Amino acid sequence: QKEVEQNSGPLSVPEGAIASLNCTYSDRGSQSFFWYRQYSGKSPELIMSIYSNGDKEDGRFTAQLNKASQYVSLLIRDSQPSDSATYLCAVNSNTGNQFYFGTGTSLTVIP
Amino acid sequence: NAGVTQTPKFQVLKTGQSMTLQCAQDMNHNSMYWYRQDPGMGLRLIYYSASEGTTDKGEVPNGYNVSRLNKREFSLRLESAAPSQTSVYFCASSEAGQGNSPLHFGNGTRLTVT
Repeated sequence: QKEVEQNSGPLSVPEGAIASLNCTYSDRGSQSFFWYRQYSGKSPELIMSIYSNGDKEDGRFTAQLNKASQYVSLLIRDSQPSDSATYLCAVNSNTGNQFYFGTGTSLTVIP
Repeated sequence: NAGVTQTPKFQVLKTGQSMTLQCAQDMNHNSMYWYRQDPGMGLRLIYYSASEGTTDKGEVPNGYNVSRLNKREFSLRLESAAPSQTSVYFCASSEAGQGNSPLHFGNGTRLTVT
């Protein structure tokens, strides 16, 4: 059973719209949750981290966590063509030593 | 501040050849990781080292060995390369286990085994 599930997409949104990316995880003891952005041919870069239930906002990005539902999401407001990338959800194990990744959601923002 | 540095960036091997991927971090992190990334498979953990002197298998360790040379360096060795090991390899580091610390990735190594 996969630890982390994401909709693989691809997801296409028009420029200026809100992009919504979703992730579920199976380990109830997980404490830390991360969203990475990966451009084609590049390495993953951290864009958001969230550790407690609720919303966390950083600029155009909002991460949402619901531990009871084992669900993490990322909202990108005012989407820009430069947001076109694959977004990876990562969950830290309850031991803190391992990170599990979803397969990623490919996002295309159409100008 | 270089962060996580991987070498080489590209490598082509013939089946049966061996090679070592090098990784070094300058962030004084305790934990280091090797992942491989294949289309449709996401990032899969090969091996990790929670601290200097320890290494543990991840999800896909077969065909690989690792060495945590010191706190800064963590190498990945392919003893006898196979076409199934064609992939992009990422090294990463973290203060995992010491609070809510994310992974920091190197730039990756693109390996092709023919």
